[in-house]
Amino acid sequence: EPEVTQTPSHQVTQMGQEVILRCVPISNHLYFYWYRQILGQKVEFLVSFYNNEISEKSEIFDDQFSVERPDGSNFTLKIRSTKLEDSAMYFCAGTGWDTVNTEAFFGQGTRLTVV
Amino acid sequence: AQSVTQLDSHVSVSEGTPVLLRCNYSSSYSPSLFWYVQHPNKGLQLLLKYTSAATLVKGINGFEAEFKKSETSFHLTKPSAHMSDAAEYFCVVSEDNFNKFYFGSGTKLNVKP
Repeated sequence: EPEVTQTPSHQVTQMGQEVILRCVPISNHLYFYWYRQILGQKVEFLVSFYNNEISEKSEIFDDQFSVERPDGSNFTLKIRSTKLEDSAMYFCAGTGWDTVNTEAFFGQGTRLTVV
Repeated sequence: AQSVTQLDSHVSVSEGTPVLLRCNYSSSYSPSLFWYVQHPNKGLQLLLKYTSAATLVKGINGFEAEFKKSETSFHLTKPSAHMSDAAEYFCVVSEDNFNKFYFGSGTKLNVKP
């Protein structure tokens, strides 16, 4: 069964450093997402991406965050200058051509720890 | 506004007994509803989905859920729990024409031998 792959599974970084979280979505998916889950809190929407541009973003997704899909396969989330409060599990997801009535396929997550 | 409420943060059952994980939602539109399961150190796996067809939805591993519009509920059930069902379960709602998903806070299911 096709799956969404995220790397690394765990990243530890110092506050103020840049991090890039990587995702390889399922090949025929068209819509891509990043979500995050701070420990003990709900899974929160960060951003959706379609046709090489952001289609929607939450208030969490400020200027420190960016996404891109540079080579048509990898989908990355960059945090330019990490803060302690960015520590969370980050999930990548994708859906097919129809975002209505279609489930999202999630990766296993990257646990980001900012120290 | 959309929201999802999972009424129990933890549920503990004995192996072989029924499972009930509760979910209520609010949505301004005709929602699609999903249950996902997350085993430790694993991704979110789809258990089942409701997409305006049959209100009783059957999923994998013997789970099912019933969409009750009048109660705005989408509770997850299984007749007989198995040890391998121990995991965290998320109720998720998405709306027509919106490409994002709203998560409940999750319910951790513990299955005792």
